[in-house]
Amino acid sequence: GAGVSQSPSNKVTEKGKDVELRCDPISGHTALYWYRQSLGQGLEFLIYFQGNSAPDKSGLPSDRFSAERTGGSVSTLTIQRTQQEDSAVYLCASSLVSFGANVLTFGAGSRLTVL
Amino acid sequence: DAKTTQPPSMDCAEGRAANLPCNHSTISGNEYVYWYRQIHSQGPQYIIHGLKNNETNEMASLIITEDRKSSTLILPHATLRDTAVYYCIVRVAGNAGNMLTFGGGTRLMVKP
Repeated sequence: GAGVSQSPSNKVTEKGKDVELRCDPISGHTALYWYRQSLGQGLEFLIYFQGNSAPDKSGLPSDRFSAERTGGSVSTLTIQRTQQEDSAVYLCASSLVSFGANVLTFGAGSRLTVL
Repeated sequence: DAKTTQPPSMDCAEGRAANLPCNHSTISGNEYVYWYRQIHSQGPQYIIHGLKNNETNEMASLIITEDRKSSTLILPHATLRDTAVYYCIVRVAGNAGNMLTFGGGTRLMVKP
């Protein structure tokens, strides 16, 4: 597609429920990144994929968070047993890694509200 | 990645040039300077990047000092739509693992 697409754009859920957030990167982009941004705060790095593998999962805040990427394309971020502190905007970005530049293109984000 | 220091906020009059400074005194020789901005309720948007030469594109100009320890992003004719948080980031290019670390940025307010 022309840009990074994220869905849903808004999600309201009850505490304890599981949620899945989807990211559809720009076609051909090999790297995919997940960040989250709490209200009024900066961006917090969560995880990145190079192809389908995630070399660094250290940014995931707890074992309730997991992510996968299939076919080198779509990625899903899953949050199990959601807590109120998980409320944030979850941002996905993709990039075409090349020597000399690695420009990230971000999606509009998925706003998660946990009641 | 090298740490960057930016003023937390700046004001600019509409139609005037906005000059946003960034200090990166510990930058390494192979680290690029990137600028992104985030307009309210949107994802960050890439603006420009450079290594050591000054760069210009349709959005902005990037001026990097000769010692590379600081840079300035210039929006030549700021509009109200340029009101956003501007992030200066330094990182090594060519490696997906060098993810962007966003600091606090500069909140630019363009006023009529």
